[in-house]
Amino acid sequence: AQKVTQAQTEISVVEKEDVTLDCVYETRDTTYYLFWYKQPPSGELVFLIRRNSFDEQNEISGRYSWNFQKSTSSFNFTITASQVVDSAVYFCALSVSTGTASKLTFGTGTRLQVTL
Amino acid sequence: ETGVTQTPRHLVMGMTNKKSLKCEQHLGHNAMYWYKQSAKKPLELMFVYSLEERVENNSVPSRFSPECPNSSHLFLHLHTLQPEDSALYLCASSQDGQGSDEKLFFGSGTQLSVL
Repeated sequence: AQKVTQAQTEISVVEKEDVTLDCVYETRDTTYYLFWYKQPPSGELVFLIRRNSFDEQNEISGRYSWNFQKSTSSFNFTITASQVVDSAVYFCALSVSTGTASKLTFGTGTRLQVTL
Repeated sequence: ETGVTQTPRHLVMGMTNKKSLKCEQHLGHNAMYWYKQSAKKPLELMFVYSLEERVENNSVPSRFSPECPNSSHLFLHLHTLQPEDSALYLCASSQDGQGSDEKLFFGSGTQLSVL
């Protein structure tokens, strides 16, 4: 069985601060995919990034960066110079290869509040 | 705008009512999903349809009945619900429904309250 843990329930930062959202996963599969989704107040989850288990390269996209470490089963997400528009709930998710449709296992989410 | 539209946005129903949630995707995808989002719990996968065929029923009570008449539309029929069924119900779609690497496109959800 798969499990995703996001230990931080809520984080509050002041604009322009850097913030890291933690994600720890559990799976016995050797082939899997990790995702981050953002859920703004409007409700829809928005895809941010996908990473497969064989690619441990860190990735940077603008103010966003992701640190994938198989040794610690972690896939952390950092927002640099946070902005008010970053306020949302962020979900980490895991999917293993089943040969059928995607079945994501989600964490409980981290609510990020960015204030002026 | 993610290309996935859900109606209604809000729904209040009594335990004896029958109602339906609707989802429509304009992305040309072949797979559609229903997820349940309850407070302080992970999103729970309820149903998956791939090419209009149900490929996953995640031990969901029979008071929830999905319907997928074509690859663009997905319904969730509700009857004799319980107060603990109150939650945000999210619809999603993906390109092929054939791989675990697919990214999902979500609608804004229907906030359901069962009285």
